[in-house]
Amino acid sequence: DTGVSQDPRHKITKRGQNVTFRCDPISEHNRLYWYRQTLGQGPEFLTYFQNEAQLEKSRLLSDRFSAERPKGSFSTLEIQRTEQGDSAMYLCASSPNREGAFFGQGTRLTVV
Amino acid sequence: RKEVEQDPGPFNVPEGATVAFNCTYSNSASQSFFWYRQDCRKEPKLLMSVYSSGNEDGRFTAQLNRASQYISLLIRDSKLSDSATYLCVVTPRNNNDMRFGAGTRLTVKP
Repeated sequence: DTGVSQDPRHKITKRGQNVTFRCDPISEHNRLYWYRQTLGQGPEFLTYFQNEAQLEKSRLLSDRFSAERPKGSFSTLEIQRTEQGDSAMYLCASSPNREGAFFGQGTRLTVV
Repeated sequence: RKEVEQDPGPFNVPEGATVAFNCTYSNSASQSFFWYRQDCRKEPKLLMSVYSSGNEDGRFTAQLNRASQYISLLIRDSKLSDSATYLCVVTPRNNNDMRFGAGTRLTVKP
């Protein structure tokens, strides 16, 4: 499968714990996005990488969220001290240009 | 005002009907426009880009009106398999994040 891959698909964690998600984009796609989606809403932008450079980060993103793309290939999204409000689907997307992006199946996070 | 606004629906139409969705955006400097489709509990999938001259892909037609800051999606001869949520996406100029609307839900009934 050469699509965008995300791991894990599901994560249940206790409030206050740290979690890390991984995204493997489509090979040679230099653009990588992270989004968050809750029920009934469209995806909400979190951050954007071009190669290894994090070029944009949503002002809505608190300091508890951090993302990396160390070698310009896979990316990780870490949430520290999780809160119940962090429960959502976390989506990763990649693109070779500005002509739309391709999404992975997402990581569903439940904070209990 | 939200950056990208869509009528949430739901739109319930019979098979074979023609249905149209509109989406308005607030940033006049927006540069790129797309429609995505999202099935229940699945990831969004790119349906089509929207160009200034309008574009058509089979039963789907997308149009852009920059003066009024809206884009539209027309689905002709709707099929049961067209049932999904349709997301409008706008990319601001000199920016890289895609801004999504909340989506319009379509149900095509036999």
